[in-house]
Amino acid sequence: QSALTQPASVSGSPGQSITISCTGTSSDVGSYDRVSWYQQHPGKAPKLMIYEVTKWPSGVSDRFSGSKSGNMASLTISGLQAEDEADYYCCSYAGSSTWVFGGGTKLTVL
Amino acid sequence: QVQLQESGPGLVKPSETLSLTCTVSDGSISSYYWSWIRQPPGKGLEWIGYIYYSGSTHYNPSLKSRLTISLDTSENQVSLRLNSVTAADTAVYYCVRYSSSWYAFRYWGQGSLVTVSS
Repeated sequence: QSALTQPASVSGSPGQSITISCTGTSSDVGSYDRVSWYQQHPGKAPKLMIYEVTKWPSGVSDRFSGSKSGNMASLTISGLQAEDEADYYCCSYAGSSTWVFGGGTKLTVL
Repeated sequence: QVQLQESGPGLVKPSETLSLTCTVSDGSISSYYWSWIRQPPGKGLEWIGYIYYSGSTHYNPSLKSRLTISLDTSENQVSLRLNSVTAADTAVYYCVRYSSSWYAFRYWGQGSLVTVSS
């Protein structure tokens, strides 16, 4: 059970859009539509932003969107705002009632 | 909204047992899955395992031999025990309520830092 692969960092200017990739395998991301994304500000607990690949919990901005193709999931943030600067983690079901996270991506808003 | 509060020693000696307790505020412990997730300082998240209110457990294979997660429904508490700890077990440990309808970790505690050091 290996961690999902995410870029270490991404950046964008306010108002722009960015995409964070999350690459897994046919045993996790590729097999299940059970990918979720979490936002974590420094010193805080993670917050659920996207679940089941594309769905938002209530209270999460629709500027955040998710997608999946094959073994790769993606999180897109449109209309970047300063408050979006944080670490982002993907997570996927990996079968046999186990879960695997990505290594995390640091988003910098320039 | 449910609140989760982790508690336990902040310092554990190598080879000893790490023990944490999570107190659930709204009495929902008898209805959901309860998970532990950890984060070493400056690193990413790692799923540790979870327990259903029925008592069935599922663990990260890499930790299974050292791990016990249990429930105390009378106290609305979820517990974590990790044996034979090393410095690699130093992390912030989060108690999390898992949503089986969303397949996601929905509600998180604030986390508890546990340092393994002599």
